Amino acid sequence: TQLLEQSPQFLSIQEGENLTVYCNSSSVFSSLQWYRQEPGEGPVLLVTVVTGGEVKKLKRLTFQFGDARKDSSLHITAAQPGDTGLYLCAGELAGTASKLTFGTGTRLQVTL
Amino acid sequence: NAGVTQTPKFRVLKTGQSMTLLCAQDMNHEYMYWYRQDPGMGLRLIHYSVGEGTTAKGEVPDGYNVSRLKKQNFLLGLESAAPSQTSVYFCASRSPGQWSYGYTFGSGTRLTVV
Repeated sequence: TQLLEQSPQFLSIQEGENLTVYCNSSSVFSSLQWYRQEPGEGPVLLVTVVTGGEVKKLKRLTFQFGDARKDSSLHITAAQPGDTGLYLCAGELAGTASKLTFGTGTRLQVTL
Repeated sequence: NAGVTQTPKFRVLKTGQSMTLLCAQDMNHEYMYWYRQDPGMGLRLIHYSVGEGTTAKGEVPDGYNVSRLKKQNFLLGLESAAPSQTSVYFCASRSPGQWSYGYTFGSGTRLTVV
């Protein structure tokens, strides 16, 4: 059973479109991170959110942590081919000695 | 460049063979982790370590063993490889005082067991 479910699993869009990726759980997380992974490489951190309801922006990317700290979303505005990759959310459960639980992943392809 | 280095990058094993994957980090991080990545399942934690000489089981530890004899190295061993262990393995590290900086990952080891 996956603690963190991401949707959609795959997303293929054209340059300039907007998109939202969701990360949902029935568990409460003390913090949540989003990573992006490119082929042949390890995941790279995009953002960390800690407070329920928190919103962070990273250029065209907007991250939100749910009020109850059980879910999160990633919104990309005007997607570009450089946004192509695998997006992973990862949550830290309280009292788990810094272990991250990763979501199932969303593979995004942005075409010209 | 500072970071996490994994060796080897690729390996093909026959069922029943053994091997060790090496992870080395030069950032003086206390915590180190081994994950496996399979299609549609994200990354799943195999074993982790919160300091030199300590290890603990993660979500999917069966069939694997680990050792952390030196702070900078974390070894993952497969005693008798099985086809179900075909996967991409990632090592990661982080500092306990810098949790918001996230994990630093290696570039992975692609293992095929035939």
